[in-house]
Amino acid sequence: EIVLTQSPGTLSLSPGERATLSCRASQSVSSSYLAWYQQKPGQAPSLLIYGASSRATGIPARFSGSGSGTDFTLTISRLEPEDFAVYYCQQYGRSPITFGQGTRLEIK
Amino acid sequence: QVQLQESGPGLVKPSQTLSLTCTVSGGSINTGGYYWSWIRQHPGKGLEYIGYIYYSGSTYYNPSLRSRVTISVDTSKNQFSLKLTSVTAADTAMYYCASLVVVTTYAFDIWGQGTMVTVSS
Repeated sequence: EIVLTQSPGTLSLSPGERATLSCRASQSVSSSYLAWYQQKPGQAPSLLIYGASSRATGIPARFSGSGSGTDFTLTISRLEPEDFAVYYCQQYGRSPITFGQGTRLEIK
Repeated sequence: QVQLQESGPGLVKPSQTLSLTCTVSGGSINTGGYYWSWIRQHPGKGLEYIGYIYYSGSTYYNPSLRSRVTISVDTSKNQFSLKLTSVTAADTAMYYCASLVVVTTYAFDIWGQGTMVTVSS
C-alpha cells in the first residue's frame, strides 16, 4: 500500500500568512489521483483539490496544489480565519486508497 | 445536488455486527462513474478507507478489513450499506459514506455528515 506522509504535523500561522503543506508518497502517484481535503471540527472532510492541482467547485483561488511523483504540496496563499482546520492528502493511484495522517493548521 | 446520509445504531456490542446504511438523495445511485464508499475515522485520528460498491454490484474492500466487511446496494431504495462483523473496541470510529468520482476528479466529492459508532458492552 502507498503510505502518504504529511508534514508538518502541526503548522502555526497567523491570518494573512502563507501556508505550505507537504504530502510525500512512499511510491510514485499519478498526479491525476492525488487529492486534498479540509476537515473542520465536527464536520466531514470536504474536497479542496483533485488531480494534484485542480480546485474543486467553489474553492477559493488562494488554495493551490502542485507536485508530481512522490512529492505534493498544498499552498494557501493568504490565510483567512476559516482556513484553520486539518488537511489531508489522499491517493487513488494504487489500491487500497490511502490518506495521509493530516496536518493541523492552527492560529498562532 | 446529491446528498448522502448515514444511519444505523450508535452502539454495538463486541463480537456483534456493525450495520450502517447510506441514503443517497438528489440523484440516482444507478449513475455510472461513482464508487459508493465507506470511510472511517477513529477518534482524533486520520481517515481509513473501508471499501466501495458500484451500482452494478461490483465491490472493493481494503485488505485490512476484507475478511469482515460486506458492502451492498439497494437500488430500489437508493441506498448502500456496510456490514462489519466481529467488531471490537478498535472499530469504534466515525463512519462516513462518500461518493468517489471515477470519471473526472478521482476523489471523494460528496460526503455524508458521518455517524459515530461505539463498540462497547
